[in-house]
Amino acid sequence: ILNVEQSPQSLHVQEGDSTNFTCSFPSSNFYALHWYRWETAKSPEALFVMTLNGDEKKKGRISATLNTKEGYSYLYIKGSQPEDSATYLCASRPSGSARQLTFGSGTQLTVLP
Amino acid sequence: DTAVSQTPKYLVTQMGNDKSIKCEQNLGHDTMYWYKQDSKKFLKIMFSYNNKELIINETVPNRFSPKSPDKAHLNLHINSLELGDSAVYFCASSHGNTIYFGEGSWLTVV
Repeated sequence: ILNVEQSPQSLHVQEGDSTNFTCSFPSSNFYALHWYRWETAKSPEALFVMTLNGDEKKKGRISATLNTKEGYSYLYIKGSQPEDSATYLCASRPSGSARQLTFGSGTQLTVLP
Repeated sequence: DTAVSQTPKYLVTQMGNDKSIKCEQNLGHDTMYWYKQDSKKFLKIMFSYNNKELIINETVPNRFSPKSPDKAHLNLHINSLELGDSAVYFCASSHGNTIYFGEGSWLTVV
């Protein structure tokens, strides 16, 4: 994988459902993987930064895992709420770069009440 | 208080004009960036400054010129605007691993 890819591109779930989406990134020269939550017309908000293989991070109902050997990360949302509706971006930073993140195009989540 | 603020938020201008987008951060960060959201919605880095010095300059037309008068400011000046410059431009700053973004500036060239 040369670029950062996210799937699915968009997702609709019912309120209360749990959901997850995937970020794939180049596993060679890996340094860090970032997840951002982005609501339209607002700043992308940092959720997690993960660096170690096997890392798991949690923030409320949102959690993320990291597999640096195979180059993927999962973001999980438990019991989705309408306020979780946003675009979730992941970005990979390779080692040796001057903090140059490569972003995926995002997964647009809509939680229906 | 907004940590990274950029102005204007919306800008509609004619081809050939020169325009600037200003960015200020009150986080005390040393590093600031300009990103462009392309037509496929990817955020791509344009420039990065550390302590007022340019450290990343991606393949961006030289009509785009960043200026950093001090650590807290990184302005983006665009000369001779073209239709293809229409995009959302994001300013950001960082200290350590986390990057903090502004809300974006929607530029439309007509």
